[in-house]
Amino acid sequence: TQLLEQSPQFLSIQEGENLTVYCNSSSVFSSLQWYRQEPGEGPVLLVTVVTGGEVKKLKRLTFQFGDARKDSSLHITAAQPGDTGLYLCAGATPGGYQKVTFGTGTKLQVIP
Amino acid sequence: NAGVTQTPKFRILKIGQSMTLQCTQDMNHNYMYWYRQDPGMGLKLIYYSVGAGITDKGEVPNGYNVSRSTTEDFPLRLELAAPSQTSVYFCASSYTPAGRNTGELFFGEGSRLTVL
Repeated sequence: TQLLEQSPQFLSIQEGENLTVYCNSSSVFSSLQWYRQEPGEGPVLLVTVVTGGEVKKLKRLTFQFGDARKDSSLHITAAQPGDTGLYLCAGATPGGYQKVTFGTGTKLQVIP
Repeated sequence: NAGVTQTPKFRILKIGQSMTLQCTQDMNHNYMYWYRQDPGMGLKLIYYSVGAGITDKGEVPNGYNVSRSTTEDFPLRLELAAPSQTSVYFCASSYTPAGRNTGELFFGEGSRLTVL
């Protein structure tokens, strides 16, 4: 079983601050995704990264896939209250079946 | 657009009862999944299916059964409910383009199950 460890587990910051969330594994993934989940809803995809070293930007969010495709980071610049939620990384295993393993999650609270 | 629809949204069961969580998707996706999410945790894969008639176990399949008779439907059956099955259950689907194994998971809104 592949494990994806996320850190930190909880993060409470003031509006306007920057933050970074990490997703680490000892396994290699063919791709890695980041999802955001709001209370009472299912996760919603933010981004997919597929190439080692790849960097993708989504407005104030920057995602990076590690060179060895075992880890990833999510950096948020000038956090807003609307960024509040549970952030989940998810790795897809190489091979024919698209089996996705989810990380433990990072719960972010942005205080106005 | 309906996407992935789960029913019921909430259910309370007594220990030993059985029930089925329904999941249907209208996106013609090949892959479907059932996850459970416990408080403060990520998602654990229960079962998945790569197409009609094909299912396989995930990380935590004990106490559950699934079937996939059509592309659209992927019900999850709980037999002899136990308190350890108290959780929020999410159904998801995805489309895998030929030759690739990446793709977006589309989730339903979840079914909150309590076993007392």
